[in-house]
Amino acid sequence: DAEITQSPRHKITETGRQVTLACHQTWNHNNMFWYRQDLGHGLRLIHYSYGVHDTNKGEVSDGYSVSRSNTEDLPLTLESAASSQTSVYFCASSESPSTDTQYFGPGTRLTVL
Amino acid sequence: AQSVAQPEDQVNVAEGNPLTVKCTYSVSGNPYLFWYVQYPNRGLQFLLKYITGDNLVKGSYGFEAEFNKSQTSFHLKKPSALVSDSALYFCAVRDMSNTGFQKLVFGTGTRLLVSP
Repeated sequence: DAEITQSPRHKITETGRQVTLACHQTWNHNNMFWYRQDLGHGLRLIHYSYGVHDTNKGEVSDGYSVSRSNTEDLPLTLESAASSQTSVYFCASSESPSTDTQYFGPGTRLTVL
Repeated sequence: AQSVAQPEDQVNVAEGNPLTVKCTYSVSGNPYLFWYVQYPNRGLQFLLKYITGDNLVKGSYGFEAEFNKSQTSFHLKKPSALVSDSALYFCAVRDMSNTGFQKLVFGTGTRLLVSP
């Protein structure tokens, strides 16, 4: 069965370190998204991609970057982790950017000390 | 920009009773509206969506939602709640930027607690 996976599921890191969160989907979807979930804010879009070599900034992109070298993967990098980036991160994919269902991964809980 | 509001942080209901989780929207043009559910330590799962057509949309797990244009609402409903329905529910709306990019904008979520 097609799925979307994230790794690691839990990560503790220190301020200033570079961290990469992996996202892998086997739906063969062109569209992929990264969100962060924080209490009182719901889900906020960090970055998104419409296809290979396409990346775009979302509403909270500062301090984050993504790259899309193939259809299946969209890794999220925190260049220099900050305590404000402690959150739960979700990756999602869809066939259409908005009218179709987005399929979410199980999430990565990141703690920055 | 398009937005949705979920006015209740938490909804409590007894098992077997009907439940309603509220969502209101603010959009220009025709709204595309969605409901997602999140169980503990899991990602979001799609429940249902309204694109066009009938105002009553049926979705997964016995849930339905009623689109009301005059009240700009898209409330999630279920005739008889189950304890297993206890979860976090998110309303979302399509937002299209000036460049044509489409994305989903999520509400802050409503926690549903169904007591036995």
